[in-house]
Amino acid sequence: SQTIHQWPATLVQPVGSPLSLECTVEGTSNPNLYWYRQAAGRGLQLLFYSVGIGQISSEVPQNLSASRPQDRQFILSSKKLLLSDSGFYLCAWRLQGNTEAFFGQGTRLTVV
Amino acid sequence: GENVGLHLPTLSVQEGDNSIINCAYSNSASDYFIWYKQESGKGPQFIIDIRSNMDKRQGQRVTVLLNKTVKHLSLQIAATQPGDSAVYFCAENIGRDDKIIFGKGTRLHILP
Repeated sequence: SQTIHQWPATLVQPVGSPLSLECTVEGTSNPNLYWYRQAAGRGLQLLFYSVGIGQISSEVPQNLSASRPQDRQFILSSKKLLLSDSGFYLCAWRLQGNTEAFFGQGTRLTVV
Repeated sequence: GENVGLHLPTLSVQEGDNSIINCAYSNSASDYFIWYKQESGKGPQFIIDIRSNMDKRQGQRVTVLLNKTVKHLSLQIAATQPGDSAVYFCAENIGRDDKIIFGKGTRLHILP
């Protein structure tokens, strides 16, 4: 069966520090991968998506970046965090042509 | 577009009554629409989807209606139960880009 892992579950980082959030998918091949951010009590904002290794599409210009070094690995990074980067970060995957996307449990990031 | 900056509206429904959650979308190129349920502190979960060439689809206790003329989508939950308490998001799939854009969510609160 397919599973998606996201870590860490919670993270507190100082302003100006770097960030690396990792997401991995098991049990499938060549999935579409997505990174979303959700501010407290608000909707989901699409940050990045990828349809293949090394293929990254950015939706919102900001100080975050994403990489897909392997087929089932999606990494969200920042060189210097801002206070406004705080939020709930969600990774998701789905197979091309399928309608259902599967989400990870999320990482709650607090920048202090 | 995404109303990710707005606080979520709340719908309060008596237990046992039917719930109707509405959503407006903006992109005419969307080829299908999806409803997700998000419980507190968790990632969204798929509920039901509908292709853009359909106007109604039924699942277990849920019905989705699509009105392309006014770009409106609704989710009807029959005999609402306490376990239905969650935030509900509509999402649209932009086929040519293979990305999923979430709409404004609605918090469903069940009254005893």
